[in-house]
Amino acid sequence: DAGVIQSPRHEVTEMGQEVTLRCKPISGHNSLFWYRQTMMRGLELLIYFNNNVPIDDSGMPEDRFSAKMPNASFSTLKIQPSEPRDSAVYFCASALRKQETQYFGPGTRLLVL
Amino acid sequence: GNSVTQMEGPVTLSEEAFLTINCTYTATGYPSLFWYVQYPGEGLQLLLKATKADDKGSNKGFEATYRKETTSFHLEKGSVQVSDSAVYFCAPHSGAGSYQLTFGKGTKLSVIP
Repeated sequence: DAGVIQSPRHEVTEMGQEVTLRCKPISGHNSLFWYRQTMMRGLELLIYFNNNVPIDDSGMPEDRFSAKMPNASFSTLKIQPSEPRDSAVYFCASALRKQETQYFGPGTRLLVL
Repeated sequence: GNSVTQMEGPVTLSEEAFLTINCTYTATGYPSLFWYVQYPGEGLQLLLKATKADDKGSNKGFEATYRKETTSFHLEKGSVQVSDSAVYFCAPHSGAGSYQLTFGKGTKLSVIP
């Protein structure tokens, strides 16, 4: 199995630009999670989906962030407009079902200048 | 909501030393408990888990026992190696019906030859 795939692995952009992060979960998994990791705040859950439906987006920092899951094999996290404080590593994870192990992707390292 | 208190790092040990990383949690019900490990530049990987009281999870020489009475899930290894240098995260799963993991702040372990 290829595992969770994220793209791009690295992104450098300027403040105000739109950023789109992509995730392909493990085939057959029906739960998908987006996390953000920073030195200051650690690992934060932003949003999670079950069967392509957003279940809880209370961790999304503000309206500049949005996430979609149009089908079972693809999800996006979009930041528009981006700000320097959005610089972080963004992880996507998937799980087979509730309370099962979450499998993490390699992450996207985002730097907003 | 759930919370996790994890031993603060960084922890520096000599090769072959004994490792303990403490983790206590608060949660509703009896959650599954996980330890994840993050090697430099990578995403999180499941290290071990336990799903009910008195269960012992083990992997790669690491062990942790689900202690319901003390709500703890301490990670131990009898003889660490340089390759164990990483950040370790304790993560209880939320109770029945929930999808979420609550991650601790992580403990950075450095093992020196």
